[in-house]
Amino acid sequence: QVQLKESGPGLVQPSQTLSLTCTVSGFSLTSYSVHWVRQHSGKSLEWMGRMWSDGDTSYNSAFTSRLSISRDTSKSQVFLKMNSLQTEDTGTYYCARIGLRRDYWGQGVMVTVSS
Amino acid sequence: DVVLTQTPSTLSATIGQSVSISCRSSQSLLDSAGNTYLYWYLQRPGQSPQLLIYLVSNLGSGVPNRFSGSGSGTDFTLKISGVEAEDLGVYYCMQATHAPYTFGAGTKLELK
Repeated sequence: QVQLKESGPGLVQPSQTLSLTCTVSGFSLTSYSVHWVRQHSGKSLEWMGRMWSDGDTSYNSAFTSRLSISRDTSKSQVFLKMNSLQTEDTGTYYCARIGLRRDYWGQGVMVTVSS
Repeated sequence: DVVLTQTPSTLSATIGQSVSISCRSSQSLLDSAGNTYLYWYLQRPGQSPQLLIYLVSNLGSGVPNRFSGSGSGTDFTLKISGVEAEDLGVYYCMQATHAPYTFGAGTKLELK
């Protein structure tokens, strides 16, 4: 059974770094890509980046300078780190296995950037 | 970045009514291999997005066949033939042909 679950702090102070973990089960990170997508409250979805199955990464240029995605295949975890957080980074962050015919998304983790 | 324009932004329907949502892209979504990576998602309140349609017109796993997708190039349509109560929520189109992936602004389907 494929599952993805995000975890991380619910509150981050402005200018600090956000660290999120996506723990997957039911599939191998060396066989499938994992994406990060965020959603501002009541707004649309924004694709942030991707960890490819071969370990390579792709980023949305809107985040390139402050976003990093990495993984630990032994723990089936994908990590998101984003620095210099501002209030406009408040939202729900999802990790997802986006593919053909069937998608799998985590339940999302709500992050609030506030002092 | 590719801009996806969805219309309408809100759709009011009665149970059993058929409705359509449009998604127009700022550039062609046909790639050099002949594939068009246009997806449709439904996000129910408080839930994560779920895949309905992939590659323009292919039904996702377990998706009822009252959902259908069509289109090509820059113009795409999602049709629901006979809305059911469980279909209420926000519909998004997404393109994965050009980096970065981008989503439409969403169409909220509500009961009339």
